[in-house]
Amino acid sequence: SAVISQKPSRDICQRGTSLTIQCQVDSQVTMMFWYRQQPGQSLTLIATANQGSEATYESGFVIDKFPISRPNLTFSTLTVSNMSPEDSSIYLCSVIIQGAGELFFGEGSRLTVL
Amino acid sequence: AQSVTQPDIHITVSEGASLELRCNYSYGATPYLFWYVQSPGQGLQLLLKYFSGDTLVQGIKGFEAEFKRSQSSFNLRKPSVHWSDAAEYFCAVGTGGGNKLTFGTGTQLKVEL
Repeated sequence: SAVISQKPSRDICQRGTSLTIQCQVDSQVTMMFWYRQQPGQSLTLIATANQGSEATYESGFVIDKFPISRPNLTFSTLTVSNMSPEDSSIYLCSVIIQGAGELFFGEGSRLTVL
Repeated sequence: AQSVTQPDIHITVSEGASLELRCNYSYGATPYLFWYVQSPGQGLQLLLKYFSGDTLVQGIKGFEAEFKRSQSSFNLRKPSVHWSDAAEYFCAVGTGGGNKLTFGTGTQLKVEL
């Protein structure tokens, strides 16, 4: 298994501001992803975080709104830009650990936008 | 595109009773299938997964799931539910070699003592 640390665990933000969420993993990672879980709904894949290059976004998600960085194998950030109340969600980092062959999830960052 | 349907939004069972959570998927190729559990305030934990081989898959916490290709289903079962099993359960299908997951909407399980 792996320890996946997300910061912040929760935050309350004002409309129009931006927030950056960090994800740090204690193991060697082959792939990293960011998911969103809107209130009362399921998880939706936002993007694949690629080391040293631009993230690969899923349909409906764009870099200007959700810029992602992954400077090394074990760390990634997701920024939620120009937030609106519709961005209130739990954002989860997920990873595939070398040799593990399964997806692990962090505990998520609960974001509330007022 | 792939999709996952969990037809039961809420299920209530008595402790000690058997449990079956339904999951149907739509995917053009051989699916990678998963069941995750999410307890309040916690992240997702993998219960079990199916990639290939034996269609009856054993997982953690006494759970099992059966892949039925003819029915496009991957139902989760447990013979005797414990109060600690109360949580939300998500079924998912994986693409991109099983790495990118599409989740169902989840089933909230309540256990009555």
